[in-house]
Amino acid sequence: GESVGLHLPTLSVQEGDNSIINCAYSNSASDYFIWYKQESGKGPQFIIDIRSNMDKRQGQRVTVLLNKTVKHLSLQIAATQPGDSAVYFCAENPHGQNFVFGPGTRLSVLP
Amino acid sequence: NAGVTQTPKFQVLKTGQSMTLQCAQDMNHNSMYWYRQDPGMGLRLIYYSASEGTTDKGEVPNGYNVSRLNKREFSLRLESAAPSQTSVYFCASREPGQGTDTQYFGPGTRLTVL
Repeated sequence: GESVGLHLPTLSVQEGDNSIINCAYSNSASDYFIWYKQESGKGPQFIIDIRSNMDKRQGQRVTVLLNKTVKHLSLQIAATQPGDSAVYFCAENPHGQNFVFGPGTRLSVLP
Repeated sequence: NAGVTQTPKFQVLKTGQSMTLQCAQDMNHNSMYWYRQDPGMGLRLIYYSASEGTTDKGEVPNGYNVSRLNKREFSLRLESAAPSQTSVYFCASREPGQGTDTQYFGPGTRLTVL
């Protein structure tokens, strides 16, 4: 499993700017990916998903990009708002197996 | 429709004490999961139940036991708590193969073992 110690990477963005959060996944057999948002004191919430037969998927203000060549996933949030402040993490699903979760990135939106 | 509920929300134990964390879901999902989340780390799977009547170990099962009481309920038991089990525990449920194949998480139980 992954272990990055006690401190999460933090991304600070100005309100209204776009945010890009990155995730490196580990298993080339993973064929399904999810981005979650976790607000302080709450459980993770689904944001957007993507399957390995796609390289881009858009939702409302969010876009997920998948680069299978380098095993990289990114989450783009357009026009970031104060309510977007949270920890974001990706999850990969090797076909038929359980999800593996990344450690997360803390997004801080500055007024 | 409450989704996934967990009790208690907070708990403080002394080393050696036992307790059971309760989880219930009302979405008629077959699969249920228990995770722990430690500062700066991703969710780690403790145990899961792919369907009613089955349970399997995850990545970090030592010191825990589970019971899939029925389709709705999946409990996690600490028989003899240790300080290393201080963590936030999340229960989740999922229905594989249904479009968006996400897990739905409960609000968590914050456990401190002294």
